[in-house]
Amino acid sequence: QKEVEQNSGPLSVPEGAIASLNCTYSDRGSQSFFWYRQYSGKSPELIMFIYSNGDKEDGRFTAQLNKASQYVSLLIRDSQPSDSATYLCAADNFNKFYFGSGTKLNVKP
Amino acid sequence: EAGVAQSPRYKIIEKRQSVAFWCNPISGHATLYWYQQILGQGPKLLIQFQNNGVVDDSQLPKDRFSAERLKGVDSTLKIQPAKLEDSAVYLCASSLRANTEAFFGQGTRLTVV
Repeated sequence: QKEVEQNSGPLSVPEGAIASLNCTYSDRGSQSFFWYRQYSGKSPELIMFIYSNGDKEDGRFTAQLNKASQYVSLLIRDSQPSDSATYLCAADNFNKFYFGSGTKLNVKP
Repeated sequence: EAGVAQSPRYKIIEKRQSVAFWCNPISGHATLYWYQQILGQGPKLLIQFQNNGVVDDSQLPKDRFSAERLKGVDSTLKIQPAKLEDSAVYLCASSLRANTEAFFGQGTRLTVV
């Protein structure tokens, strides 16, 4: 079983809409969760991280964590074509850092 | 603040040859990671160091891959001998300590022909 699972997509949303990206993890011992954005041919770059149950907002991005359901999500408000990328979810599991396979997001002008 | 430095950026080798990659983490970062990313897939953790000790190398193909982090700073990843399926981008990342956000270098794109 993979430690971190994501729907590969692609997820297509119109410009200005809310994009919702989801991630589940298998090990309840995971403490920290991270969202990275990766443009084609580039390295992953950190968007935000979340440690506690609930929501965490940073600009147009909101991360949501539900440890009981082992579920993490990322909401992108007012999506822009420049948000088109692959979004990677990562979990820190007993100090080991594992990534999901990523969800490709397409924002259509 | 300087980021994670990796070299080379690109490498093309023939199968059965050897290759080495170098990584210099962000200054002061104790944790260093090497990931393999095959096209269309997420990064796969190969090895994780805490200072100069290995935290996890469970997914490192130890018959052909080796890595070291002497003095707890720079790290090298070696493949010997390379196989066609080793063609991938090799990403180095570092974090201040485990359980904190990791920052990535630009990666080394390896092509084995």
